[in-house]
Amino acid sequence: KQEVTQIPAALSVPEGENLVLNCSFTDSAIYNLQWFRQDPGKGLTSLLLIQSSQREQTSGRLNASLDKSSGRSTLYIAASQPGDSATYLCAVRIQGAQKLVFGQGTRLTINP
Amino acid sequence: GAVVSQHPSWVICKSGTSVKIECRSLDFQATTMFWYRQFPKQSLMLMATSNEGSKATYEQGVEKDKFLINHASLTLSTLTVTSAHPEDSSFYICSASTEYMDTEAFFGQGTRLTVV
Repeated sequence: KQEVTQIPAALSVPEGENLVLNCSFTDSAIYNLQWFRQDPGKGLTSLLLIQSSQREQTSGRLNASLDKSSGRSTLYIAASQPGDSATYLCAVRIQGAQKLVFGQGTRLTINP
Repeated sequence: GAVVSQHPSWVICKSGTSVKIECRSLDFQATTMFWYRQFPKQSLMLMATSNEGSKATYEQGVEKDKFLINHASLTLSTLTVTSAHPEDSSFYICSASTEYMDTEAFFGQGTRLTVV
């Protein structure tokens, strides 16, 4: 059974810092991995999608990496801003199924 | 990215009544839709997977007679919470995907259900 773990559960940093969020999964047989952002009381916004054959994806200040063999992904946020404050979720799409398996999320707070 | 619209964004209902939540894919054909439930400060729990024109597949522990899912077209799925009770109060989110495994999953904005 696929399990996804995110560390840390919560993170608070001052504005302007670069930071890394971690995601690990137990079964490397995945189609892809997706990072999402969730604001309080809202749905999920897709940030980055990494296919199983890819090593990283970038969008603006965000960079996500994937090491499938070790079951790890990281989300790097450069020059953090207060508007980046949200919960960040990673999810893997397992082979043989369309459903996503989610981690518990990292609640990020950027202090002005 | 593609747009998934969920309606209503919030609803308050009395115990014993039924509530219907709609999930629409606005600019693509969603062969598969997923319904999730989220408790405060917790991650998403998959309730069921629905494919257009067929019966939904429910996750273990989810009562299919209580949470009725209909996916009658490639752009619309509905979740009906029947005979709602206060313990059904939660945040419900839908997601839509195409038939291709390597594509992104897109999510609705969620529905906050409060049963009083």
